[in-house]
Amino acid sequence: AQKITQTQPGMFVQEKEAVTLDCTYDTSDPSYGLFWYKQPSSGEMIFLIYQGSYDQQNATEGRYSLNFQKARKSANLVISASQLGDSAMYFCAMRESGNEKLTFGTGTRLTIIP
Amino acid sequence: DTGVSQNPRHKITKRGQNVTFRCDPISEHNRLYWYRQTLGQGPEFLTYFQNEAQLEKSRLLSDRFSAERPKGSFSTLEIQRTEQGDSAMYLCASSLGLSYSPLHFGNGTRLTVT
Repeated sequence: AQKITQTQPGMFVQEKEAVTLDCTYDTSDPSYGLFWYKQPSSGEMIFLIYQGSYDQQNATEGRYSLNFQKARKSANLVISASQLGDSAMYFCAMRESGNEKLTFGTGTRLTIIP
Repeated sequence: DTGVSQNPRHKITKRGQNVTFRCDPISEHNRLYWYRQTLGQGPEFLTYFQNEAQLEKSRLLSDRFSAERPKGSFSTLEIQRTEQGDSAMYLCASSLGLSYSPLHFGNGTRLTVT
């Protein structure tokens, strides 16, 4: 079974609009962490934001925020005021406690339209 | 902090040849990871080191693959008798090893086996 599911293979968004990238996960471990990465065409994976399963508040980092709904097992990334430079692949990933592996989803390709 | 460095950026080799990739992690990071990414997929875990000890290997890592981190600093990933199915992006990452620590990735080595 997929541990991380990203159901949007591609999205097109007008510049300056907000965008939500979906991520659902599957785990029976009560302690886990969720990560979002950006991968531009250059190939480097860039860390964006982290949410711990016990964190009481949704994580925010600049224009990035995480809409964490624990009961639904979803961790959607919200990018506010999108910019042309936001065009990239975005990956959701999870690490369960006691496990070093980050398990990634298949990603969403975001294209910002001027 | 110079980031994670990987060499070479690109490698084209003929089937059956051996190849070796190098990764230099962020200096204060004790954990080093290797991932493989094929087109349209998220990165898949291969193996990781804590200092010089290789602590986990994925079943994806066949006997033709070997990774070392001899002095707990840089790491090498060798693929012997390459096959066309080995063509992929090989990503190296490092982290501080805390549960909430993100992985910091290099730019990757793109391997093409002809």
